[in-house]
Order: sequence, then C-alpha cells, then structure tokens
Amino acid sequence: AQSVTQLDSHVSVSEGTPVLLRCNYSSSYSPSLFWYVQHPNKGLQLLLKYTSAATLVKGINGFEAEFKKSETSFHLTKPSAHMSDAAEYFCVVSARAGNNRKLIWGLGTSLAVNP
Amino acid sequence: EAQVTQNPRYLITVTGKKLTVTCSQNMNHEYMSWYRQDPGLGLRQIYYSMNVEVTDKGDVPEGYKVSRKEKRNFPLILESPSPNQTSLYFCASRSGGSRWTQYFGPGTRLLVL
Repeated sequence: AQSVTQLDSHVSVSEGTPVLLRCNYSSSYSPSLFWYVQHPNKGLQLLLKYTSAATLVKGINGFEAEFKKSETSFHLTKPSAHMSDAAEYFCVVSARAGNNRKLIWGLGTSLAVNP
Repeated sequence: EAQVTQNPRYLITVTGKKLTVTCSQNMNHEYMSWYRQDPGLGLRQIYYSMNVEVTDKGDVPEGYKVSRKEKRNFPLILESPSPNQTSLYFCASRSGGSRWTQYFGPGTRLLVL
C-alpha cells in the first residue's frame, strides 16, 4: 500500500535562509510524487512533480525536490526563503486502487518565515 | 484559462437541509474527484469519476452522493448534512495518461450547524 509521511508538522525559518521540508513515502511500485502548497484561505497549487524522469525536479517559485529511491524520500528545498513562502505544504504520492489512481496526501508541514 | 470552479465558496447550513456543491472544469478532463480536508487528517477522497456516468466511492463516501451527467460537471450532494460534514471541500480534475496533473478548485468551506 502507498503512504506518505511528512516528518515535520511545523518548520520555522528566517527570511533568506534555506528551507527543507522532509517527506518519506512508501510505494509498492515506482511512484509519482508531488508537492502542493496551500496559502491561507487559498486553494491547492502544484509546486512540482516527479514521474520517473530526472530525480531532481525543479518547480515554481525556486523550489526543488530530489527523489531518492534508496531512502524513499522526496524532500522539498529552497535555497533562500521569502516571506511569501509561508504556507502549508503537502507531499503527495499517487496510488492505484483498481481503476482509481488517486492521490495519498501527507498531513502537511506548516512553514513559517520570520523577518 | 484552464480552471476548476466550485460554488458556493462558503456555505453555512443546518442539519438535514439538502445541499449541492457544484464543480465544473473546462479542460475536457475525463477524471474528476472530490476531497475533504480536515485538520490533522489531511485530504481524503470522497468520490471519483472516471468519465460520464462512471462514478465510484473513495475513502470517505458516507453521507455523500455524486453524479456525472456531463463531462465538465461533477456536483457533490449532501442529502442530509450533519455537523461531522463540516469541512473544506475540494473538487479536482485531471486528464488520463502517464503524465497527468491534477487541478484543484478553490475549495468550498462548509459549516453544518
């Protein structure tokens, strides 16, 4: 069965410092992995996705994530945090159940960016 | 502009009063689904639809109905809402194939009193 674990429920960084949001996954086959962001009172926006191509995936707003099969990880990083990055971040793995290919969501990591 | 729209965005209702949340997409996607988001539980799939007239239960279907009479629309129906259905609801759609991306609507915040 597929599952995803976000290792930190809250992360706080200072503006201009690096961001690391950790995600481990479990999948019985080669997974598709995603990071979504949700700003307060906003919808869900896709940051980036991995679908078995390059293991280092670049997304929007300077974010990137590296797929490491040996570690079953898909951590999200950004070199320099901006105030506008404060949001909830979700790591997601695709799962197949019969004809349904659905998304399994992590519980989210709340990122705070301090001035 | 490619988008998924939901209406209403906010809704306060009372227990037992039937309501419908509409969802529409303009990308000609075959696959549509509904999720609810609750604190500490993340997003959970309620129902999904592979195409017109093809729907099936997700992880938390109890208390909900859906229909897919047209490709672009996928309404979520609460026949007799209860307070435990107070939640944030998202509609999503995606195309088929191996390089799919799921697009989400803006969300509907529902409060059942």
